[in-house]
Amino acid sequence: DAGVTQSPTHLIKTRGQQVTLRCSPISGHKSVSWYQQVLGQGPQFIFQYYEKEERGRGNFPDRFSARQFPNYSSELNVNALLLGDSALYLCASSLQGGLAGEQYFGPGTRLTVT
Amino acid sequence: GENVEQHPSTLSVQEGDSAVIKCTYSDSASNYFPWYKQELGKRPQLIIDIRSNVGEKKDQRIAVTLNKTAKHFSLHITETQPEDSAVYFCAAGSGGYQKVTFGTGTKLQVIP
Repeated sequence: DAGVTQSPTHLIKTRGQQVTLRCSPISGHKSVSWYQQVLGQGPQFIFQYYEKEERGRGNFPDRFSARQFPNYSSELNVNALLLGDSALYLCASSLQGGLAGEQYFGPGTRLTVT
Repeated sequence: GENVEQHPSTLSVQEGDSAVIKCTYSDSASNYFPWYKQELGKRPQLIIDIRSNVGEKKDQRIAVTLNKTAKHFSLHITETQPEDSAVYFCAAGSGGYQKVTFGTGTKLQVIP
């Protein structure tokens, strides 16, 4: 079975630009969560989507948005990029929407904003 | 919101010794406490988790204890090996969705 996949692996953007990150969950998993991990810190929760609906949102500005598609893959969009958005963006999938199951993390997308 | 504090930030132990990492949380509604291991340049991987209806859980050399009254939980690694060297994160979660709040991480170095 393939694990969680994310694309692209690395991305360099300029301040003010927009970026779209993609995630494909493990086959059969219906929940996708997004986390931001700044160097030297723990991951911070951004969003959770379950069955194509937003189930939770962390303390991030409206510049961050996401959606989940009928095949349960997901996109994270960040508008008007700031230098502080430079981080590793992790996607995690789980079988269900609640805390009943383990979250499996993808390899992440390293975003650098210059 | 939930706040998770983790100590120590770095920990060096001799191979074969035990390592203990401690975390405290603030939200009494938290009921799920996973621990993740993250090697350099790799994704976080769940190594053990515990729910609030259990006080202790063990998996081979790894154990986690939870004190709900004091709102703290700990990771214990016995007979440490060089491959245990990594950054370890504790986390706390609650509610009907997958939001977990992570601690700041502990860099564990096991010296051969």
